[in-house]
Amino acid sequence: QKEVEQNSGPLSVPEGAIASLNCTYSDRGSQSFFWYRQYSGKSPELIMFIYSNGDKEDGRFTAQLNKASQYVSLLIRDSQPSDSATYLCAVSDNNNDMRFGAGTRLTVKP
Amino acid sequence: NAGVTQTPKFRILKIGQSMTLQCTQDMNHNYMYWYRQDPGMGLKLIYYSVGAGITDKGEVPNGYNVSRSTTEDFPLRLELAAPSQTSVYFCASSQGQAVLSEQYFGPGTRLTVT
Repeated sequence: QKEVEQNSGPLSVPEGAIASLNCTYSDRGSQSFFWYRQYSGKSPELIMFIYSNGDKEDGRFTAQLNKASQYVSLLIRDSQPSDSATYLCAVSDNNNDMRFGAGTRLTVKP
Repeated sequence: NAGVTQTPKFRILKIGQSMTLQCTQDMNHNYMYWYRQDPGMGLKLIYYSVGAGITDKGEVPNGYNVSRSTTEDFPLRLELAAPSQTSVYFCASSQGQAVLSEQYFGPGTRLTVT
């Protein structure tokens, strides 16, 4: 069974702090890794994706991938109350199979 | 562009009834997907399509059927609804293969089977 695991939270951080969201996956053949944000009652929307080991930065967001440890993370710098949402980690290991974690609920307190 | 649209937004079905969830995209994407999301859980892939006339099973296809007669439309059919199919259903599309592409999601259909 191909598993994608996330800490369900809730994770609470003060405004302006760094939020760190973590995800582990079981399939060593996984090739691409996505972070989606989902506001309550809404559909997921892509934050960023990463394919290669290391860090990838996009504005206040940084994705980190370590394939040897089967671990991917998302850092949110200068967290804002508008970042309060559930963050879904998704992993793809072949052309069209996509596995999602259950998500981590983040609350940013003003 | 409307993106990905889904109808209906909400539906209550009785056990044993059937229904079709509609999904349409106007981005000319070849790839389309159906997911279900149970409370507190991640999305699970039901079926996907790589183009008109081509569909394939995902992780949880039992109890569902799909068809893809046009690039724009990808309806999901529930036959003999069961309480276990109570969920939120999301349709998505992408320009390329899932492993390489962002997926664009519709607003979802909240289905309750009682």
